[in-house]
This record gives sequence, C-alpha cells and structure tokens, in this order.
Amino acid sequence: EMQLVESGGGLVQPGRSLRLSCAASGFRFEDYAMHWVRQAPGKGLEWVSGISWNSVKIDYADSVKGRFTISRDNAKNSLFLQLNSLRLEDLALYFCVKGRSSGLYGVLDFWGQGSLVTVSS
Amino acid sequence: QSVLTQPPSASGTPGQRVTLSCSGDSSNVGSNPVTWYQHLPGSAPKLLIYGDNQRPSGVTGRFSGSKSGTSASLAISGLQSQDETDYYCAAWDDSLNGWVFGGGTKLTVL
Repeated sequence: EMQLVESGGGLVQPGRSLRLSCAASGFRFEDYAMHWVRQAPGKGLEWVSGISWNSVKIDYADSVKGRFTISRDNAKNSLFLQLNSLRLEDLALYFCVKGRSSGLYGVLDFWGQGSLVTVSS
Repeated sequence: QSVLTQPPSASGTPGQRVTLSCSGDSSNVGSNPVTWYQHLPGSAPKLLIYGDNQRPSGVTGRFSGSKSGTSASLAISGLQSQDETDYYCAAWDDSLNGWVFGGGTKLTVL
C-alpha cells in the first residue's frame, strides 16, 4: 500500500526556519518526481515546489523562491523541504505529493495527509 | 488569488447531474491536460480525473471530465451525499513553470 507520511511541522516565529520531511513507502520512490503543495486556512491548494526523480530538475513557486529548498534522498525514500525566513503567510498545511512520472510535468497522483506549519509571534 | 478560476460553490439534489467549471488561459488549461481532485478538508486530496478526461482505477464512472479551449469541466452524475466536499482543478503552467490550481468549489448536496 502506498504511503506518504509528513513530519516536522510545528509552531515557529516569523523569520525562523523549519524542515519538513516526508517518508514514502509502497512504491519505487526513486522513479518518480515529488512535490510539496500547501493549503492555508480557508484557502485553496498552492503548489510550492517540485523535484525530479534524480534531483536534476527543481522548481519553486515565486512566493517561496529563495527561501525554501526542496531535496530528496532516494536511498532513504525521503523528501524534504527546508523552510527559511518564514513569514506569517507561510502558515499552512503542507502536503507531500507523488508525481505520476519522473519529471515535474507528470500528474500529482498521490497525496499525504499533511504537516501543519504555524507561523506566529 | 488562484491562477485557475472556479466558482466557490455549487449545489445539487441526490440523483442529479452537476457540472463544475474551471477556467484558465493559454499557458495552462489551453495547452496542458487538466487534473481534478476531490478534497475532504483534513484529509489527503484524491485524484479524480487526469489528462482532461481519464479516470484512475478505482474512481467511479459517475465522475467525468471534459475540456474545450481554456475551460474545463467536471461532471458528477447520480449525485450522492458522500459527494459533498471540495473539488479542485489543476494544470501545469508553461509560463510559471509549475503547477497551478483553482480556488476550489464547495459542492453541497441538498
């Protein structure tokens, strides 16, 4: 059974950092692109970042470019998101999402339950 | 403000057929396949439709997708109370080099 389990969320002050992790199981993690998508309270879904199967291709939403860094460890079936210089507007539930192909263009086909990041002073 | 435009709400009665709309432009919906998700708040979004009109295995045939130009639609036939939740459309955007979503439509079954 496919599973994506996020962790690392929590309460953090503006300007501080946080690192999210996603543990994948039930599929060949190394074959697929992975993404982070977030949902702020009462808002819709927003794509944050994506990484290709071999980490060669990485893209970010303009809203997080220069502050967030996506990475993966295929040997450990894990995806990461380093969140730096956090802002109040980064408060959201962050979903780890599997792509349907090795590149970023493939459909986002399987989602985790999410990890909540709360930014507050 | 979401890149793709969806009406914030829609409603129907049990057994009815409802259609949810999604509007974009030539850099996203107009040039790339549209995906639809069903999302019960607090749980993981579920893939309903990909490639404009393809259903993943396990998704009931009551859900169907279509697209014309820069607009896409999700049709739900034989509406059931369990269909009452949020629905999102998404597409790759060639200008932004990333995935873009609609703001979501909250479907109410009266």
